[in-house]
Amino acid sequence: DADVTQTPRNRITKTGKRIMLECSQTKGHDRMYWYRQDPGLGLRLIYYSFDVKDINKGEISDGYSVSRQAQAKFSLSLESAIPNQTALYFCATSDSRLSSYNEQFFGPGTRLTVL
Amino acid sequence: KQEVTQIPAALSVPEGENLVLNCSFTDSAIYNLQWFRQDPGKGLTSLLLIQSSQREQTSGRLNASLDKSSGRSTLYIAASQPGDSATYLCAVREDNFNKFYFGSGTKLNVKP
Repeated sequence: DADVTQTPRNRITKTGKRIMLECSQTKGHDRMYWYRQDPGLGLRLIYYSFDVKDINKGEISDGYSVSRQAQAKFSLSLESAIPNQTALYFCATSDSRLSSYNEQFFGPGTRLTVL
Repeated sequence: KQEVTQIPAALSVPEGENLVLNCSFTDSAIYNLQWFRQDPGKGLTSLLLIQSSQREQTSGRLNASLDKSSGRSTLYIAASQPGDSATYLCAVREDNFNKFYFGSGTKLNVKP
């Protein structure tokens, strides 16, 4: 089984709809991240969380919100989706307790299309 | 703001060639640099992580080097194989911040 899972894997929605992307991990890592990937732009950080009570904005947090429901779960919400939020979304984890604690591990991604 | 650039954007080579992928970054105050592989429809797989105090890391046919002062890293792939075909991304982590900045990747095609 995959260590970092994302649901759904693909989603098509309409402008104005609220949508939630979910991420779960079985690695026992304390840190979790959400990125979006657009063609030619690489990955950009949306939000990150150091633990359940610590949430931080990343480079492009406008239009997004997150919830860290448990150490193993980190969800990303689009309150009112717009077409320029069409992208590939990745969840990642890392563990501050490891010597290579800043090494990140990624989920398979969610492809979101906003019409 | 940190900017990470990868050149070339795409590369096609015949099987068996040794090749080098480049990554440059604008702010040398980095904590580490990580190389990833991305396959279509899949997530990112970590290949190598180099701490800022290190000069290189090796894993199998892969060797990554880091020259922090010049803002450059290279990923060397020896004896390339068709299975190496993928997009390769580099990411830098800034000092004291748990923020990672990614390049846009190099799409590698290894022809049989």
